[in-house]
Amino acid sequence: SAVISQKPSRDICQRGTSLTIQCQVDSQVTMMFWYRQQPGQSLTLIATANQGSEATYESGFVIDKFPISRPNLTFSTLTVSNMSPEDSSIYLCSVEGTGVETQYFGPGTRLLVL
Amino acid sequence: KQEVTQIPAALSVPEGENLVLNCSFTDSAIYNLQWFRQDPGKGLTSLLLIQSSQREQTSGRLNASLDKSSGRSTLYIAASQPGDSATYLCAVWGGSYIPTFGRGTSLIVHP
Repeated sequence: SAVISQKPSRDICQRGTSLTIQCQVDSQVTMMFWYRQQPGQSLTLIATANQGSEATYESGFVIDKFPISRPNLTFSTLTVSNMSPEDSSIYLCSVEGTGVETQYFGPGTRLLVL
Repeated sequence: KQEVTQIPAALSVPEGENLVLNCSFTDSAIYNLQWFRQDPGKGLTSLLLIQSSQREQTSGRLNASLDKSSGRSTLYIAASQPGDSATYLCAVWGGSYIPTFGRGTSLIVHP
């Protein structure tokens, strides 16, 4: 299994500002994923981030709003840009499992936009 | 497109009860099914993973079963405790690295 940390764990932000969330893994992984979980909802995949290439965004998510960096095999960032109250969610980072189809999840970043 | 449904959406029980949480999926061509636990405002903790060739997995007081042909899985929690209070999410992998999640069952076990 992989151990994943995220920073910050939570934040309260003003509308119109941006927040960058960091995800650190204790081992090298090819694929990292960013999810959003809105209040009372399940997880929705924002994008898949592979090292050395542009992130692949799911329908409804765009790079201008959620730019992602993947500078190496153990680290990724997700920025939530020009935030509005609708962006209030838990943002989760995950990585692929090895040998079996699964993912390991970070502790999440709880974001509240006022 | 795969759809995952979890029933019930919420459950409140007294301590000591045995519980069954249900997960159904529309496309039976899955590789794995996984149950997660999520505490309020937190990330996901993996509980049990059932590969498509398996029928069930057990860990402590938890037992998960899988019936691919009927598109169903159940998570059985024996002798529930207040510490079991959390949201339980079911996720299926069906041929890609992107899982489909259900909306979860919110469980409260009161003393």
